[in-house]
Amino acid sequence: EDKVVQSPLSLVVHEGDTVTLNCSYEVTNFRSLLWYKQEKKAPTFLFMLTSSGIEKKSGRLSSILDKKELFSILNITATQTGDSAIYLCAHTNYTGANSKLTFGKGITLSVRP
Amino acid sequence: DTGVSQDPRHKITKRGQNVTFRCDPISEHNRLYWYRQTLGQGPEFLTYFQNEAQLEKSRLLSDRFSAERPKGSFSTLEIQRTEQGDSAMYLCAWGREKLFFGSGTQLSVL
Repeated sequence: EDKVVQSPLSLVVHEGDTVTLNCSYEVTNFRSLLWYKQEKKAPTFLFMLTSSGIEKKSGRLSSILDKKELFSILNITATQTGDSAIYLCAHTNYTGANSKLTFGKGITLSVRP
Repeated sequence: DTGVSQDPRHKITKRGQNVTFRCDPISEHNRLYWYRQTLGQGPEFLTYFQNEAQLEKSRLLSDRFSAERPKGSFSTLEIQRTEQGDSAMYLCAWGREKLFFGSGTQLSVL
């Protein structure tokens, strides 16, 4: 059974800090790893990572995958209170048909002013 | 715009009652998914439709759960004889490899 483990489960930082969120996985056939941000309701898509060592970047957020060590990190620089959310990591088993995501429990990030 | 609209946003029901949720894709999405999220957990896969065909169901989907997607447009998820353990957020999603989620229906079973 595919497994995704995120750490830490919660984190409190101050505005302006840089944070690193971790995601490790144990899956039968790796396809891609995805990161989502969940504020109140819908998880919103951030990144999809398929290849090792290629950084994906969007503003202050960036993410990278290490397929040898089976983990990914999500970095947020110069954090703002609006970054407070649950960050979810998921593996997709997509092979051209459906995409069944296996999620970790999520990391609750609180950014204090 | 999440690409799907879910209704209702919140539902409170008594144990033993039946409930039905609806998911409306905003445009044509042939792949549609249902997920369930309980407090402190990530979303868990329930079922998947390609057009009107239900192609995969999780073992989490007990006999009390049924999902339909008539004509390949909107989808419904029904839970019969609700139990307190059914309390969760029910999320609808669409997509190919990466999924886009609706705002969900929060179910509370008293």
